[in-house]
Amino acid sequence: DTGVSQDPRHKITKRGQNVTFRCDPISEHNRLYWYRQTLGQGPEFLTYFQNEAQLEKSRLLSDRFSAERPKGSFSTLEIQRTEQGDSAMYLCASSLPPYNEQFFGPGTRLTVL
Amino acid sequence: DQQVKQNSPSLSVQEGRISILNCDYTNSMFDYFLWYKKYPAEGPTFLISISSIKDKNEDGRFTVFLNKSAKHLSLHIVPSQPGDSAVYFCAASAYSSASKIIFGSGTRLSIRP
Repeated sequence: DTGVSQDPRHKITKRGQNVTFRCDPISEHNRLYWYRQTLGQGPEFLTYFQNEAQLEKSRLLSDRFSAERPKGSFSTLEIQRTEQGDSAMYLCASSLPPYNEQFFGPGTRLTVL
Repeated sequence: DQQVKQNSPSLSVQEGRISILNCDYTNSMFDYFLWYKKYPAEGPTFLISISSIKDKNEDGRFTVFLNKSAKHLSLHIVPSQPGDSAVYFCAASAYSSASKIIFGSGTRLSIRP
């Protein structure tokens, strides 16, 4: 399967713990996006990378969130000191020029107890 | 400020009939519009798109119509099939904004026998 993959698919953690998610984009896609989706809403943009450079971060991405894409391939999203409000589906997408269409992974569902 | 609005949270259509999903947007900078389909526990799947230079795009049973003056787009599915039951997200992007996608809140389509 050559689609976008995300790991883990589900994560349950206690408030205050740190969590890290991984995204592997489609191999030749140089842009990688992170989105967050809460119940009853559409996905909301968090941040994106072009190759290894993080070019934009949403105001939704608080200081507790950090994302990396060290070699321009896979990306990680870390949430420190998780809060119950962080419970959501975290989606990763990748794209090729002209970047109009993004292809999404299955998401990581985070539950913070 | 919701830039992409889907005012119908749900829609029920009889199998074989036409399904029409509607979407409104407010940002005149959007130049590309997309529809994604989402099944439970999966990421959004790209369905069909349209550039702002067109007013119609067709792909098999799916047609998207764009009315720029009204800032309105719609997705037509003909004929509707049971496998079309899913949540449909209308989305828009602007090349000037790195093509990050702004999603509506979704419409749950149910196809009844």
